[in-house]
Amino acid sequence: AQSVTQLGSHVSVSEGALVLLRCNYSSSVPPYLFWYVQYPNQGLQLLLKYTSAATLVKGINGFEAEFKKSETSFHLTKPSAHMSDAAEYFCAVSAFTGRRALTFGSGTRLQVQP
Amino acid sequence: EAGVAQSPRYKIIEKRQSVAFWCNPISGHATLYWYQQILGQGPKLLIQFQNNGVVDDSQLPKDRFSAERLKGVDSTLKIQPAKLEDSAVYLCASSSQTDTYEQYFGPGTRLTVT
Repeated sequence: AQSVTQLGSHVSVSEGALVLLRCNYSSSVPPYLFWYVQYPNQGLQLLLKYTSAATLVKGINGFEAEFKKSETSFHLTKPSAHMSDAAEYFCAVSAFTGRRALTFGSGTRLQVQP
Repeated sequence: EAGVAQSPRYKIIEKRQSVAFWCNPISGHATLYWYQQILGQGPKLLIQFQNNGVVDDSQLPKDRFSAERLKGVDSTLKIQPAKLEDSAVYLCASSSQTDTYEQYFGPGTRLTVT
């Protein structure tokens, strides 16, 4: 069984500030982990994914995430927030083998203040 | 390449009516997923197809929901009869056999049941 917990349903940062969105997972098998972004009235877009290679993963739009097995975490960061980063962010987990469907967290809405 | 297409984008129906959603995945993608995203929550898998066979429908409410994927390409998701709690965004996603962990999402269909 797999699950994802995203701490903080809403996060607000100032433009230019560090973005940190938290994700903890639970998985009985080695996980693959993902971050997706969703803009209003749009589908989900993949930001980055961890598939058991490097633990520090770089994605699009300047985002990165680090897989920490000991902490069962996969937090998303960006050094400097931009107004265009305002969106809903979802962390998701998939099993390493077998079923590939994603189990999503409940999401974190990022607000960027000017 | 063209993305995942879904129609309609919006649908409003009364409870106890029926409704159908259509999805056209990315050309050549063997795996197709339907997710339900209730407002304020992450997407939840309803059904997963591999070509035209069902891989996982354990979370599909089969008393009212049905889905098919004829010829292993397009897919249709039907709800009959609809309930108020079916109000949600229905997302379709697809993935290829060479990179089964990367799912591409369509824009979704927003269903409102009144």
